[in-house]
Amino acid sequence: SQQGEEDPQALSIQEGENATMNCSYKTSINNLQWYRQNSGRGLVHLILIRSNEREKHSGRLRVTLDTSKKSSSLLITASRAADTASYFCATIGYSTLTFGKGTMLLVSP
Amino acid sequence: DTEVTQTPKHLVMGMTNKKSLKCEQHMGHRAMYWYKQKAKKPPELMFVYSYEKLSINESVPSRFSPECPNSSLLNLHLHALQPEDSALYLCASSQATVGRTGQPQHFGDGTRLSIL
Repeated sequence: SQQGEEDPQALSIQEGENATMNCSYKTSINNLQWYRQNSGRGLVHLILIRSNEREKHSGRLRVTLDTSKKSSSLLITASRAADTASYFCATIGYSTLTFGKGTMLLVSP
Repeated sequence: DTEVTQTPKHLVMGMTNKKSLKCEQHMGHRAMYWYKQKAKKPPELMFVYSYEKLSINESVPSRFSPECPNSSLLNLHLHALQPEDSALYLCASSQATVGRTGQPQHFGDGTRLSIL
């Protein structure tokens, strides 16, 4: 299965702290995406990192990719209560995305 | 506000009812998707439409019947559903199918379906 596995399953932090979520996958990829899902809402695309990239930034987000270890991490710096959500990594199949199990992030004021 | 609109937001139906879920996008995307998501689980792909043609059916039971009337609309017709079909049904679209370039998908906020 191509499905990613996020770690940790749940993460609880205080506002202002950094949050790191990890994703491992099983097969070779061309790129990997991260999505956020607020409770009761659809998923929102956050960032895409290609297999020839090692690190990518977007605002307070930093994504790394280690293809030798088949893993990726998502770092959210200076977290805010509004960052409370589930975060999923997604790997690319032939024409579809396969989502990992997700990390539930709770940021307390 | 999302650019993919799904209606209704909530639907309660009996096992003998027939209902339809609707999804609309006006971004000119040519690929559209239906996902099923159970609580605290990731979305699971059900169907993919590419240029208004069904390209992937992930072995979904025939009580779920997708339809793509035009490039902006995607329907999911429901008939004789089971209680285990209760879930959040998400629609998504992308410029083209994900393929090797990894087109990001744009999601609607879903229809929360409850089967009595």
